[in-house]
Amino acid sequence: DAGVIQSPRHEVTEMGQEVTLRCKPISGHNSLFWYRQTMMRGLELLIYFNNNVPIDDSGMPEDRFSAKMPNASFSTLKIQPSEPRDSAVYFCASSLGAGGLKTQYFGPGTRLLVL
Amino acid sequence: GENVEQHPSTLSVQEGDSAVIKCTYSDSASNYFPWYKQELGKGPQLIIDIRSNVGEKKDQRIAVTLNKTAKHFSLHITETQPEDSAVYFCAASMYSGGGADGLTFGKGTHLIIQP
Repeated sequence: DAGVIQSPRHEVTEMGQEVTLRCKPISGHNSLFWYRQTMMRGLELLIYFNNNVPIDDSGMPEDRFSAKMPNASFSTLKIQPSEPRDSAVYFCASSLGAGGLKTQYFGPGTRLLVL
Repeated sequence: GENVEQHPSTLSVQEGDSAVIKCTYSDSASNYFPWYKQELGKGPQLIIDIRSNVGEKKDQRIAVTLNKTAKHFSLHITETQPEDSAVYFCAASMYSGGGADGLTFGKGTHLIIQP
């Protein structure tokens, strides 16, 4: 059974460019999470969705970041314009949120470097 | 919001000995406490979790204990093996009944198993 799929796995871009990260959750899961990992700040929750609806985006650092979930099998995290301080590993995770089952399964991450 | 503190940041133990990692949380409403293991270049993988209605849970060489009054929980690994070397993260979350909530992570513990 396929786990959470993220693309691209690595992204190198120049400051000011738009970056789009993609995530396909585990089939049947109805909650999706975006996290960012840096050495300084550790793993931080950016935003999460339940049944494709954004529930809490208080972790999104600023207006340059946006996330969408147009359907149950796809989500994007966009950074426009990108800055060097956005360099990090971005993880997507999904869970079967309803019914009390909360285990979050993480994807392999997208390693972003903004020059 | 929730704040999770994790100690130690680095732990080195001899192969075969036990390892203990401790975490505290601030929000008494948190009711779900997972532990994740992250190997180099990979996403975090759930190894064990505990919900606030139990005080201890065990799975082979891994156990987690929870003290709700003191708001702390610990991971215990017995008979450590070289493959246990990784970064371990504790996390806390609240399940509200309406769906899954995001995780607040500790800063991580780099566990080193010395041969």
